[in-house]
Amino acid sequence: SQELEQSPQSLIVQEGKNLTINCTSSKTLYGLYWYKQKYGEGLIFLMMLQKGGEEKSHEKITAKLDEKKQQSSLHITASQPSHAGIYLCGAETKTGANNLFFGTGTRLTVIP
Amino acid sequence: NAGVTQTPKFRILKIGQSMTLQCTQDMNHNYMYWYRQDPGMGLKLIYYSVGAGITDKGEVPNGYNVSRSTTEDFPLRLELAAPSQTSVYFCASSWDRRIAEAFFGQGTRLTVV
Repeated sequence: SQELEQSPQSLIVQEGKNLTINCTSSKTLYGLYWYKQKYGEGLIFLMMLQKGGEEKSHEKITAKLDEKKQQSSLHITASQPSHAGIYLCGAETKTGANNLFFGTGTRLTVIP
Repeated sequence: NAGVTQTPKFRILKIGQSMTLQCTQDMNHNYMYWYRQDPGMGLKLIYYSVGAGITDKGEVPNGYNVSRSTTEDFPLRLELAAPSQTSVYFCASSWDRRIAEAFFGQGTRLTVV
């Protein structure tokens, strides 16, 4: 069974619009990570969230962790074509694990 | 600084053939990982290594083998390729056991026909 569910699976937005991607875990989260992947490239680490209520921002991307809901959201403000790609959330569902469980990914297309 | 380098980038194999996916990193990381990425399924860990000479199975190790004779290299071996192994394979390395800030390679797209 998939432990991390992302929604939506794909998203097409007009440049300049805001958008939100959600990541929900079926298990307790010990850490939540967001990555971005461009086609044909590896994953690029964006942010790591560890505490409930934690919120981090990098340029126009903000991620929040709702520990009680076992959920994280990634919000992009005023989207640009450079934001296009696949966004993946990864989570540690037990401490000390040498592994991250990954979500299914959200494919973002930004139309100029 | 090259980071994590994977070769080849693309490969088509026939059923039953074998091949080795190469991964090398120049950051002196102890931890290295192999993931496969299937459409709609996210990334799944195949094998990982916490240092030279030490490897361990991940979620989906069947049909694969690894070795870690040096810190830099972590090759993934497919002995008898099967269509179910058609996937994109990513190698990663990190300083810490927590892969969160790992460096990923560009991936190897493998098709088994």
